[in-house]
Amino acid sequence: DVKVTQSSRYLVKRTGEKVFLECVQDMDHENMFWYRQDPGLGLRLIYFSYDVKMKEKGDIPEGYSVSREKKERFSLILESASTNQTSMYLCASSSSLETQYFGPGTRLLVL
Amino acid sequence: GENVEQHPSTLSVQEGDSAVIKCTYSDSASNYFPWYKQELGKGPQLIIDIRSNVGEKKDQRIAVTLNKTAKHFSLHITETQPEDSAVYFCAASKGSGGSNYKLTFGKGTLLTVNP
Repeated sequence: DVKVTQSSRYLVKRTGEKVFLECVQDMDHENMFWYRQDPGLGLRLIYFSYDVKMKEKGDIPEGYSVSREKKERFSLILESASTNQTSMYLCASSSSLETQYFGPGTRLLVL
Repeated sequence: GENVEQHPSTLSVQEGDSAVIKCTYSDSASNYFPWYKQELGKGPQLIIDIRSNVGEKKDQRIAVTLNKTAKHFSLHITETQPEDSAVYFCAASKGSGGSNYKLTFGKGTLLTVNP
C-alpha cells in the first residue's frame, strides 16, 4: 500500500514564526503536491513538484515556499506565519499513472 | 486555468436510497476525472476515476459517468449505507506529463446517509 506521512497531525505556531511541514512518501513517486483545505473552499493547490529539485506554483503560492531535495520528501515552508494561514494542509503524491495518494493532513493553527 | 464546479454542497439521503453528485469542468483538454472520499479526520482517498475515452465506469455500488461534449461528470452511489457518509470531491486534470498532473478540485459535497 502507498503510504504518505506528514510530520505532524496538529501544530500551533505564533504569528511571524517560520513553519516547516514535512511530507514523506514510500512509493518512489515522481510527483508530490501540497494543498490547503478550508471549509467551503475545497482543496486548493499551493505548490507541486514533478521531479527532485523541480517545483511549480499552484493556485495559491503566496506566503509559501517548498523544498524537494530528495525524491521521497517534500517540504512546505511558511516563511513568516500569519493568522490567515490557519488551515488544514494536505500532502499528496502520484506516479505517472495520475492517481494522487493523500496523507492524513496537518491542522495548523497560527495565533 | 481549469475550473471545476460541484453540486450540491450538501446532500442528505435515507439509507438504501441513491445519491448523485454532479461536476462540471471548463477546460476541454482535461481528460482524467477522479473522485475522492474524505472521512472525518482523514485525508481524501480515491474511490473511482474515469478517463475521457470512457463514458461510464462502475465499481460495485459506485459508478461515474462522463459527458465530454457537455463537460460534466457525475458520481452515482446506489443502496447507500451509513458508512458512505463523508465529504466527496470531484477533480479534473489533463493527465500525464509534467505540470499536467495537477488536479483541480471541486469544493466538495457533504453526504449524510440517515439510518
